[in-house]
Amino acid sequence: KQEVTQIPAALSVPEGENLVLNCSFTDSAIYNLQWFRQDPGKGLTSLLLIQSSQREQTSGRLNASLDKSSGRSTLYIAASQPGDSATYLCAVNTGTASKLTFGTGTRLQVTL
Amino acid sequence: SQTIHQWPATLVQPVGSPLSLECTVEGTSNPNLYWYRQAAGRGLQLLFYSVGIGQISSEVPQNLSASRPQDRQFILSSKKLLLSDSGFYLCAWSGGVWGLGETQYFGPGTRLLVL
Repeated sequence: KQEVTQIPAALSVPEGENLVLNCSFTDSAIYNLQWFRQDPGKGLTSLLLIQSSQREQTSGRLNASLDKSSGRSTLYIAASQPGDSATYLCAVNTGTASKLTFGTGTRLQVTL
Repeated sequence: SQTIHQWPATLVQPVGSPLSLECTVEGTSNPNLYWYRQAAGRGLQLLFYSVGIGQISSEVPQNLSASRPQDRQFILSSKKLLLSDSGFYLCAWSGGVWGLGETQYFGPGTRLLVL
């Protein structure tokens, strides 16, 4: 059974800092890995999707990497801003119909 | 463009009462549809998914059921709610013929409190 772990559970950084969020998964037989953002009481917004054949994806200040063989992914956020404050979730797709297994998330707070 | 709607946004129900949550998708056809639950302090758990009308797969045994009466409509139901059914319910959709490797797009969610 696939298990997804995210470390740290919570993180507080001052504005402008670069930061890294970590995600690990137990079964390396994945189709892709997604990073999502969730604001309090809201739905999820997809940030980046990395296919199993890819090593990284970039979108603006966000960069996600994938090491499938070791079961790890990182989300790098450059020059953090208060608007980046949210919970970040990673999810792996290991089956048909795009079923996702989610980690428990990292709650990020960027302070002024 | 595609949009996904959920209602109601918030619901407070007594234990033992029935439940019906609705999700609809616009701007796409034959989507894969999903119901997730996010309980307090826990991660998202996939409850049901559907690859077509009338086709429902259940991921975990529970007090809930799902139905897909139309191509872009997904309904989550219960005959008698339990306290443990409280949580944040999210509907999502993905595209593609087989649904492999596709991004999932999430609705705004329904917060359910069972008292």
